[in-house]
Amino acid sequence: NAGVTQTPKFQVLKTGQSMTLQCAQDMNHEYMSWYRQDPGMGLRLIHYSVGAGITDQGEVPNGYNVSRSTTEDFPLRLLSAAPSQTSVYFCASSYSLGGEGYTFGSGTRLTVV
Amino acid sequence: DAKTTQPPSMDCAEGRAANLPCNHSTISGNEYVYWYRQIHSQGPQYIIHGLKNNETNEMASLIITEDRKSSTLILPHATLRDTAVYYCIVNMDSNYQLIWGAGTKLIIKP
Repeated sequence: NAGVTQTPKFQVLKTGQSMTLQCAQDMNHEYMSWYRQDPGMGLRLIHYSVGAGITDQGEVPNGYNVSRSTTEDFPLRLLSAAPSQTSVYFCASSYSLGGEGYTFGSGTRLTVV
Repeated sequence: DAKTTQPPSMDCAEGRAANLPCNHSTISGNEYVYWYRQIHSQGPQYIIHGLKNNETNEMASLIITEDRKSSTLILPHATLRDTAVYYCIVNMDSNYQLIWGAGTKLIIKP
């Protein structure tokens, strides 16, 4: 039981490049979400999904796309990387829409130069 | 915006109880209090949650005042591994999303 797995752990991109951050969970959770965390701050929600085929925007969705074709996977796509997207990205899954029991991945540290 | 107020940092001696306060004076009747922690830039870890009754699990206890305007997370016997940023969350937006503040950095000292 791996929980929530994020890849890659580290990534450096040049401005304008695109990439996909991968997130997979093996707990059969319906709810998954992506956050970014900037230094010294709490997490901010980018996008979330309440089940396969259903996604919605969070607080800071601009510059990011998501899709949810399976229960297990929830990739985050950066369309055209900008230095402002330098951050640590966390994926989370949960068995409920409430605030309890979120399981987070170990994060992806992204630097855009 | 987060509806909680937490001290930015606290110290606690190893082996002692760590008591982390959280003020949430504008909490509404159906809002839960959630606690998570984040150890050295790892992904956050769920600790405990409650509505109005005190709660206890294998990690911690949560004490909520009768008027629900504040709460305290108690780590009964703090260890060095409890050094982390602790987040108290009571705000969820209309899509049931947690709104995270800056949390309290708890440092456990030997």
